[in-house]
Amino acid sequence: SQTIHQWPATLVQPVGSPLSLECTVEGTSNPNLYWYRQAAGRGLQLLFYSVGIGQISSEVPQNLSASRPQDRQFILSSKKLLLSDSGFYLCAWSVGVGANVLTFGAGSRLTVL
Amino acid sequence: AQTVTQSQPEMSVQEAETVTLSCTYDTSESDYYLFWYKQPPSRQMILVIRQEAYKQQNATENRFSVNFQKAAKSFSLKISDSQLGDAAMYFCAGAGGSEKLVFGKGTKLTVNP
Repeated sequence: SQTIHQWPATLVQPVGSPLSLECTVEGTSNPNLYWYRQAAGRGLQLLFYSVGIGQISSEVPQNLSASRPQDRQFILSSKKLLLSDSGFYLCAWSVGVGANVLTFGAGSRLTVL
Repeated sequence: AQTVTQSQPEMSVQEAETVTLSCTYDTSESDYYLFWYKQPPSRQMILVIRQEAYKQQNATENRFSVNFQKAAKSFSLKISDSQLGDAAMYFCAGAGGSEKLVFGKGTKLTVNP
């Protein structure tokens, strides 16, 4: 069966510090991978998605970047965090787009102070 | 779907009663898919139900069913015999056949004992 792991679960970082959130998927090959952000009281905003190794599409301009160094690994990074980067980050995977169900990780709560 | 709108930020229901959560969408695609996801206090996003637009029959999963009104671009979720464990944020989402999933802003459901 497929599983998705996301870590760390909780992170408190000072403004200007770097960020690395990791996500790995097990039990499937060549998944589509996604990073979403959920700000307080708001819906899910798609940040990045990837259809393959090294292939990253950015949905919104921001202080963050994403990388996919391996087929089932997706990393969300920042060189210098801003206060506005605080939020709940969710990694997800699917087989293809559109019709296919997204399966989410447990999420990472980032607080930037 | 290019836009998904949930007009009810919060709803409440008595245990064992029925509640309906509203969702409207807009898309130019002829082939699209609609979803309801649940996010309990644990923050883990869980798929509740999925509807293919080409299917006239409304999807049903145990106590959860949808009322899919294609002409009205409406996709409501009905929860029957509500249970305390149904308390969560509920997100409506949609995607065309080749599109990425777009989420509404969510409805917070409270279940009163």
